[in-house]
Amino acid sequence: DTEVTQTPKHLVMGMTNKKSLKCEQHMGHRAMYWYKQKAKKPPELMFVYSYEKLSINESVPSRFSPECPNSSLLNLHLHALQPEDSALYLCASSQETALVIRNNEQFFGPGTRLTVL
Amino acid sequence: TQLLEQSPQFLSIQEGENLTVYCNSSSVFSSLQWYRQEPGEGPVLLVTVVTGGEVKKLKRLTFQFGDARKDSSLHITAAQPGDTGLYLCAGARPTGNQFYFGTGTSLTVIP
Repeated sequence: DTEVTQTPKHLVMGMTNKKSLKCEQHMGHRAMYWYKQKAKKPPELMFVYSYEKLSINESVPSRFSPECPNSSLLNLHLHALQPEDSALYLCASSQETALVIRNNEQFFGPGTRLTVL
Repeated sequence: TQLLEQSPQFLSIQEGENLTVYCNSSSVFSSLQWYRQEPGEGPVLLVTVVTGGEVKKLKRLTFQFGDARKDSSLHITAAQPGDTGLYLCAGARPTGNQFYFGTGTSLTVIP
């Protein structure tokens, strides 16, 4: 089973709303990632969690707040977003972070299509 | 500056034609992955190459990792409309704790 699930599939929110994106994997992976993707562009890394601890924050604005409650779950809390934050938000997981094992592979969820009005 | 450059950026071909997508870097990678992504969906892993010079085949798709582990190619034989999508390479470096994505190649196969 190489499944990563994400909810919701679609989300529309106003600039004053607070919402959360959820990601779950049951592959026993110890690294989890959040990416932001615009149409026909590659995913842009936002955060990396390793063993439930934040490992990388790619200078993401504080209106995005990640949380890793346990090894299977990853959340992204959203508050006071801007229209330019509208994008596909992807969650991924891998057995370990990239440095640890040579043939490491990321598996992606289906994404959450976020629209900020 | 993007660590992995893909070419071409856009490609539109007729069904049945062959094509090659390139993923190039000046840096060495421990491994490279290739993904295909359809609009509104997450990237789907096609293959991982680890050893320099490695060639892997997946039906009509052939993947090659350069001898120096700095580049990779994806060759599709007799393209079909179902091959349409965004093709992404991604790699893990010997140092650093993240995967680096290529610039992407958007492929359209016309029936």
